[in-house]
Amino acid sequence: ETGVTQSPTHLIKTRGQQVTLRCSSQSGHNTVSWYQQALGQGPQFIFQYYREEENGRGNFPPRFSGLQFPNYSSELNVNALELDDSALYLCASSLGQDTGELFFGEGSRLTVL
Amino acid sequence: GQQLNQSPQSMFIQEGEDVSMNCTSSSIFNTWLWYKQDPGEGPVLLIALYKAGELTSNGRLTAQFGITRKDSFLNISASIPSDVGIYFCAGYNYGQNFVFGPGTRLSVLP
Repeated sequence: ETGVTQSPTHLIKTRGQQVTLRCSSQSGHNTVSWYQQALGQGPQFIFQYYREEENGRGNFPPRFSGLQFPNYSSELNVNALELDDSALYLCASSLGQDTGELFFGEGSRLTVL
Repeated sequence: GQQLNQSPQSMFIQEGEDVSMNCTSSSIFNTWLWYKQDPGEGPVLLIALYKAGELTSNGRLTAQFGITRKDSFLNISASIPSDVGIYFCAGYNYGQNFVFGPGTRLSVLP
């Protein structure tokens, strides 16, 4: 069974740039959620994708957007990067949109200079 | 919005000691989960709790779902060096988002 994989693992961008982060869900999981984890804090929910549609969104501005593909993999896009966007971005997959268990990838660490 | 509080924020213990940490909320949750995060990695699910009052074990770990559905605790018995990490609680209600606490950082001294 393949777990959740994310890429890239680390990246550095400058303020105003755009970034795309990628996630492959765990085998058999059809739902993907994205979380932002700032240093020293718990993960904060960004949004969830189920059957290629956004299915729930946290308190993040529209410049955070995403996609889910037919194979259930997903992308997180962030436009007009700000310094405060520096964080670990975690992808989590689950079996179904309302299951009570999330399985996380190792994350993509974004640094915005 | 919903928030979870975890205590203690951090703790230093001797190898072999038992550990207890808890998580509280002002809101009711129908599911409580405990995760452990090692440096540079994503959180790993330790225990999931689905019923108020439920007590569940996973090896040396034991977690309980509070009767009020507003709290949960995690105990680790006979701690070992690999228990070092950050422990997060998370609350979940059907149709809503997962809410994570700020974490308890555990350090184990040899």
